[in-house]
Amino acid sequence: EVQLVESGGGLVQPGGSLRLSCAASGFTFSSHAMSWVRQAPGKGLEWVSAISGGGGYTYYADSVKGRFTFSRDNSKNALYLQMNSLRADDTAVYYCAKQRYALPVIDYWGQGTLVTVSS
Amino acid sequence: NFMLTQPHSVSESPGKTVSISCTGSSGSIASNYVQWYQQRPGSAPTTMIYENNQRPSGVPDRFSGSIDSSSNSASLTISGLRTEDEAEYYCQSYNSGWVFGGGTKLTVL
Repeated sequence: EVQLVESGGGLVQPGGSLRLSCAASGFTFSSHAMSWVRQAPGKGLEWVSAISGGGGYTYYADSVKGRFTFSRDNSKNALYLQMNSLRADDTAVYYCAKQRYALPVIDYWGQGTLVTVSS
Repeated sequence: NFMLTQPHSVSESPGKTVSISCTGSSGSIASNYVQWYQQRPGSAPTTMIYENNQRPSGVPDRFSGSIDSSSNSASLTISGLRTEDEAEYYCQSYNSGWVFGGGTKLTVL
């Protein structure tokens, strides 16, 4: 059974940093690209970032480019999203998502972790 | 920028069939796969249809997906509606970047 468990969310002041983690299990982790998708309160889904199975390629939405860094540790089946220079409009639930191999297609989602940026 | 447009809301009665559309703003929607995600209130999204018309294991065959190139749109069709189908539905595709539709709230009344 595929499981994706996010952690690391919380309250942070504007300009601050936070690191999200996602623990994955139930599939061959290194064979699949992974993504983060966020959802601001009362809003729709927004893709944030993706990483290739080997970790050598990363992609970012314009809204987070230069501020967020996505990495993975295939020896630990773990993902990390380092978020710096956080702004109020980064407030959202952040979902870890498994892609179908390298395709821009999500087949499994985590339960999400809430990030609140506020003073 | 490529956009996917969905109706804000649809409603239908239990046992009936409903279709939710997802229209591409430019280019051909058939050039890339379309996915459909269901999100019940207070829950994470789940994948109902991937690669235009494929169902993950565990998704009932009451859910189906299709592409209509003539209208540059994708559709999610749910037959035999149940109250548990009441949720927000999002389409998603890729065109020089990931794109989500704005979501459609399905009410089953």
